[in-house]
Amino acid sequence: SYVLTQPPSVSVAPGQTASITCGGNNIGSKSVHWYQQKPGQAPVLVVYDDSDRPSGIPERLSGSNSGNTATLTVSRVEAGDEADYYCQVWDTTSDQSIFGGGTKLTVL
Amino acid sequence: EVKLVESGGVVVQPGGSLRLSCAASGFTFDEYTMHWVRQTPGKGLEWVSLITYDGGTTFYADSVKGRFTISRDNSKRSLSLEMKSLSIEDTALYYCVKDQLNLCTSSSCWVFEYWGQGTVVTVSS
Repeated sequence: SYVLTQPPSVSVAPGQTASITCGGNNIGSKSVHWYQQKPGQAPVLVVYDDSDRPSGIPERLSGSNSGNTATLTVSRVEAGDEADYYCQVWDTTSDQSIFGGGTKLTVL
Repeated sequence: EVKLVESGGVVVQPGGSLRLSCAASGFTFDEYTMHWVRQTPGKGLEWVSLITYDGGTTFYADSVKGRFTISRDNSKRSLSLEMKSLSIEDTALYYCVKDQLNLCTSSSCWVFEYWGQGTVVTVSS
């Protein structure tokens, strides 16, 4: 079945920009959604349909998707952005939803 | 305010069965596709199953197909997951999840907008 590959961890200093990638075969042809999960909490949708944000999500979080890589970008990183981030797509071949393995964002 | 409250998680022996429930409030339940997503301890997320708003379509992850059954009772605003032939690999926190768009049966709509706090299923002898 379809596989999404994320780096296990990304580290960034406060105020800098973090890029979290999600790789998949021709992922640019799919709609990618991103979720943020802080310790002990349920996941929260932060980006949907590649680059749209739900209400209440800051503009500092943005998404893009092209070719074989989708990217979640966190600009002007804050301590509160420290969390696990997961990408997700619907695989029409298998009729299943697929999550990436998740990326732990650490704010140095 | 959208509220999803899962229940039914317990410790069960391998090979056993279990039924999870999710009580929904704060939105028009019978207009939204609903999902179950699970998370193993310290690990990532795994989508389990979905049921469209009208109950007419269901999909399952390969790992649970043939063993789990998703259902809903729109009159009671309730979502269920019947789990059979449980194995240790089914041990996880199970989330009830509301979809983003109403009255949609297309995969292009299936985005996990609101999550409950989850119920823990432990399969152990």
